[in-house]
Amino acid sequence: ETGVTQSPTHLIKTRGQQVTLRCSSQSGHNTVSWYQQALGQGPQFIFQYYREEENGRGNFPPRFSGLQFPNYSSELNVNALELDDSALYLCASRSSSGEQFFGPGTRLTVL
Amino acid sequence: AQSVTQPDIHITVSEGASLELRCNYSYGATPYLFWYVQSPGQGLQLLLKYFSGDTLVQGIKGFEAEFKRSQSSFNLRKPSVHWSDAAEYFCASSMDSSYKLIFGSGTRLLVRP
Repeated sequence: ETGVTQSPTHLIKTRGQQVTLRCSSQSGHNTVSWYQQALGQGPQFIFQYYREEENGRGNFPPRFSGLQFPNYSSELNVNALELDDSALYLCASRSSSGEQFFGPGTRLTVL
Repeated sequence: AQSVTQPDIHITVSEGASLELRCNYSYGATPYLFWYVQSPGQGLQLLLKYFSGDTLVQGIKGFEAEFKRSQSSFNLRKPSVHWSDAAEYFCASSMDSSYKLIFGSGTRLLVRP
């Protein structure tokens, strides 16, 4: 069973730019969630996708959007980047038993 | 609103000593409760979870946690800490097994040789 993978590992962008982060779910997992972890904080839920549809969203503005593909891989898109978007972005895929498996994350720095 | 509190930002213990990390949750019903560990450059690894039943749950790496409804707590324990346990520990709750996780702010564990 392969784990959850994310790309890229690190990314540097400037304010106002757009970014796309990618996640490959664990095999057989059809639910993926994205979390933002600011430095020194716990992860915060951004949104969740189930079978290509968003089915839960946290307190994040619409410039945070996502996609889930038929192979259950996923993207997180952030438009009009702000300095406060600098964080570790974690993707998690959920097994049928409810356990969430997290990827290693993408470290985004906005200058 | 659902929330999770980890009162200790840092904890330092000597190798071989016992460990207890505190976690309190705020939620009307009994939530699903989790403990995760995060090492530098790593994602979150699930140590253990509580859904229902026996209030003392065993996890991986020798960790256990006890759910106490009366105290709204879910403290993590280990009888003898190893240097490799140094990491950030997060307590999390969820309304159900398929719903979003609410995380505490984490406790950083330092292990003295």
